[in-house]
Amino acid sequence: DGGITQSPKYLFRKEGQNVTLSCEQNLNHDAMYWYRQDPGQGLRLIYYSQIVNDFQKGDIAEGYSVSREKKESFPLTVTSAQKNPTAFYLCASRQGAMNTGELFFGEGSRLTVL
Amino acid sequence: DAKTTQPPSMDCAEGRAANLPCNHSTISGNEYVYWYRQIHSQGPQYIIHGLKNNETNEMASLIITEDRKSSTLILPHATLRDTAVYYCIAYMFLNFGNEKLTFGTGTRLTIIP
Repeated sequence: DGGITQSPKYLFRKEGQNVTLSCEQNLNHDAMYWYRQDPGQGLRLIYYSQIVNDFQKGDIAEGYSVSREKKESFPLTVTSAQKNPTAFYLCASRQGAMNTGELFFGEGSRLTVL
Repeated sequence: DAKTTQPPSMDCAEGRAANLPCNHSTISGNEYVYWYRQIHSQGPQYIIHGLKNNETNEMASLIITEDRKSSTLILPHATLRDTAVYYCIAYMFLNFGNEKLTFGTGTRLTIIP
């Protein structure tokens, strides 16, 4: 079935370590997004990409990096520069050529910094 | 994108219609109203969206006031599986490479058996 796959579902890391979260979609969507969600709060946009080899910073990009080398893949690296990385991370995609359209979300990756 | 305001929480009896309000008084003429929901620790799920006219799909109905300053999401026969946080979003596609959806804190809907 078509959809978005995020991995790992749970991840623990020590302070000072970089960690990369995977996001893969087989929906042939142009646009992909990374959101962060903290307990009891809404989603905040980290990065987004409309086409391959291009991406834009969202509202809270500091301490994060992304790449978009392939249409179906949009990995997120949480670097040691991110001051408070413990959170629930959500990847999403949609058909970017449309001016409307639903976002499809993955099941999320929960990162805990020890 | 226009700011939306939703009540933080609501309860609804199982089998009854759940009516979730959303205020978007500053919405512009080209902004759509989108609804998503998020069941605990899962990714948000798209429900419905509309611009001016009322919309209905297999999941819900969306009623948008004539002045477009508010809307109501209706789940016609709520079940326990509808317990979730519901997000109302006002969104407009500006141009390719400059669009994003902003999620607020939503309404936590609890279906009571």
